Amino acid sequence: GQQVMQIPQYQHVQEGEDFTTYCNSSTTLSNIQWYKQRPGGHPVFLIQLVKSGEVKKQKRLTFQFGEAKKNSSLHITATQTTDVGTYFCAGHNDMRFGAGTRLTVKP
Amino acid sequence: DTEVTQTPKHLVMGMTNKKSLKCEQHMGHRAMYWYKQKAKKPPELMFVYSYEKLSINESVPSRFSPECPNSSLLNLHLHALQPEDSALYLCASSQPRESYEQYFGPGTRLTVT
Repeated sequence: GQQVMQIPQYQHVQEGEDFTTYCNSSTTLSNIQWYKQRPGGHPVFLIQLVKSGEVKKQKRLTFQFGEAKKNSSLHITATQTTDVGTYFCAGHNDMRFGAGTRLTVKP
Repeated sequence: DTEVTQTPKHLVMGMTNKKSLKCEQHMGHRAMYWYKQKAKKPPELMFVYSYEKLSINESVPSRFSPECPNSSLLNLHLHALQPEDSALYLCASSQPRESYEQYFGPGTRLTVT
């Protein structure tokens, strides 16, 4: 079945540095979703990408969907302490989540 | 109302107990989900209900029994659980169409002793 691989597993940055997490699927995805889970919290929907090559921005967050619809990335510019949490991608094909990237930000 | 509620927040049960987890949403969503999440792991899909019918069962052991009494409610009945079933159980809901977003509840933290 579909597998969504996500890297890196952990990322520790200094506040103000950029951050990127990547997801790769073994199969073509109909769409991909991104979620953020704060420590002790539950996943919160961030965005959904549907079209090949799609790029969407939410303030400091930039989401991309690859041309082949097999990979995606989330980039955060100038991280803040409020960005702390685990970021998950999820392929809609079977609602399988990537392993997640845990982001910590040092003030 | 964009909230999914789950009760109880915490549950401790013995291996011989029978308990139920409850989930409720009033967003008019017709798809509801149960996920299991172990510490430092991603949510793992267990069941999906679409229009109150079970559409996906991810080979979950029969000691977990889901129920969808109506479009707003989702239950997970627990019986004869094992300590390794201790986890955060998350409920989510969405519209059952090609493009959708899932709204997650806060979860029930389950400990099996």
